[in-house]
Amino acid sequence: AQSVTQPDIHITVSEGASLELRCNYSYGATPYLFWYVQSPGQGLQLLLKYFSGDTLVQGIKGFEAEFKRSQSSFNLRKPSVHWSDAAEYFCAVGNTGGFKTIFGAGTRLFVKA
Amino acid sequence: SAVISQKPSRDICQRGTSLTIQCQVDSQVTMMFWYRQQPGQSLTLIATANQGSEATYESGFVIDKFPISRPNLTFSTLTVSNMSPEDSSIYLCSVVLQGTPDTQYFGPGTRLTVL
Repeated sequence: AQSVTQPDIHITVSEGASLELRCNYSYGATPYLFWYVQSPGQGLQLLLKYFSGDTLVQGIKGFEAEFKRSQSSFNLRKPSVHWSDAAEYFCAVGNTGGFKTIFGAGTRLFVKA
Repeated sequence: SAVISQKPSRDICQRGTSLTIQCQVDSQVTMMFWYRQQPGQSLTLIATANQGSEATYESGFVIDKFPISRPNLTFSTLTVSNMSPEDSSIYLCSVVLQGTPDTQYFGPGTRLTVL
């Protein structure tokens, strides 16, 4: 069955520190992978996506993610976190056409001064 | 990308009433979806809104409770009928745009509280 696992319900990092949010997926075919961010009271904003090619993907707001097929992972990273990055982050897996996108449970990021 | 708007942004409703949520997009759209996000939870797909025909509902969601219309390519409505406190959630529309066929873009959401 198709699934997305985000092992960390919440993470706290200090402002300026590096960040890595974990995402593991189970998918029968070549996955289309996404990271979205949801600020409090807002909708979801697309950070980045991976379909094929270079396994290191650059996104908006200084985020990047690396696709590792052998580990079925698509972890999100940022070298230096800003207080404005505090939000909920969702990993998602889909297929062509945008159908049946499956979302992980989300990881809430807290940033301390 | 595109500008996706939802109305209302939030509402507080009484038990037993209905609320209609609108989703409007300013670009050409191929697919439109409606999601529910219960408090502290991830997103659950309610249905795919089909232009000019009945929506395609996911397991656990029925047309009588969540009637959906999509009269044209860029506009859709979701009605939450006969509401109960368990319907308190954020409701989000998402779209797939022409030119980016594999990516969903989300509206800002409608925060519904049912008393």
